[in-house]
Amino acid sequence: GAVVSQHPSWVICKSGTSVKIECRSLDFQATTMFWYRQFPKQSLMLMATSNEGSKATYEQGVEKDKFLINHASLTLSTLTVTSAHPEDSSFYICSAPRASGVWETQYFGPGTRLLVL
Amino acid sequence: GDSVTQMEGPVTLSEEAFLTINCTYTATGYPSLFWYVQYPGEGLQLLLKATKADDKGSNKGFEATYRKETTSFHLEKGSVQVSDSAVYFCALSDKTGNQFYFGTGTSLTVIP
Repeated sequence: GAVVSQHPSWVICKSGTSVKIECRSLDFQATTMFWYRQFPKQSLMLMATSNEGSKATYEQGVEKDKFLINHASLTLSTLTVTSAHPEDSSFYICSAPRASGVWETQYFGPGTRLLVL
Repeated sequence: GDSVTQMEGPVTLSEEAFLTINCTYTATGYPSLFWYVQYPGEGLQLLLKATKADDKGSNKGFEATYRKETTSFHLEKGSVQVSDSAVYFCALSDKTGNQFYFGTGTSLTVIP
């Protein structure tokens, strides 16, 4: 079963509005979570690293004021797309590492499809 | 920088056919290599991995060998099933396992 969930799975919004996407680790704690976006027929691109208790770390070219990340607890990270525009329409995926012995396995959420009209 | 290139799809095969999905990578250092699978409506799931050269990852009949000389990690399965229909992503990570680079994904449809 899924160990990382995302909500909502699909959202349509008007241009200029803000949209919040939640990422939850269901049965483990994650001090770090990752946010990716995927455009059609393109790779997943890492946007930012969400850190519990501190500021998120953004990849080069990602606007931190536009994509607000809050790691509210050890099981929840939120991504808010502020003042969304049609070019923000994309598939957003989060992941969280879960320790298994000496190896950490990344568990990915099912993704959130955002369509901005 | 690090990157992954995988064959474009979509790929359509008949049941019991042989599958190959090509993946090549560019990386500094010695990355770990992964194949992830995404079934419809679900999240990415780790299919197999290899952490060093000549390692072979295998799971559910799928195999991939870490080839440093050709910088490749091609996914193979000898006999695909309808239930294998999904999107397959090749990926690499540094040794921390946190920074991932993904290919564009290859959609596979297996028809009865």
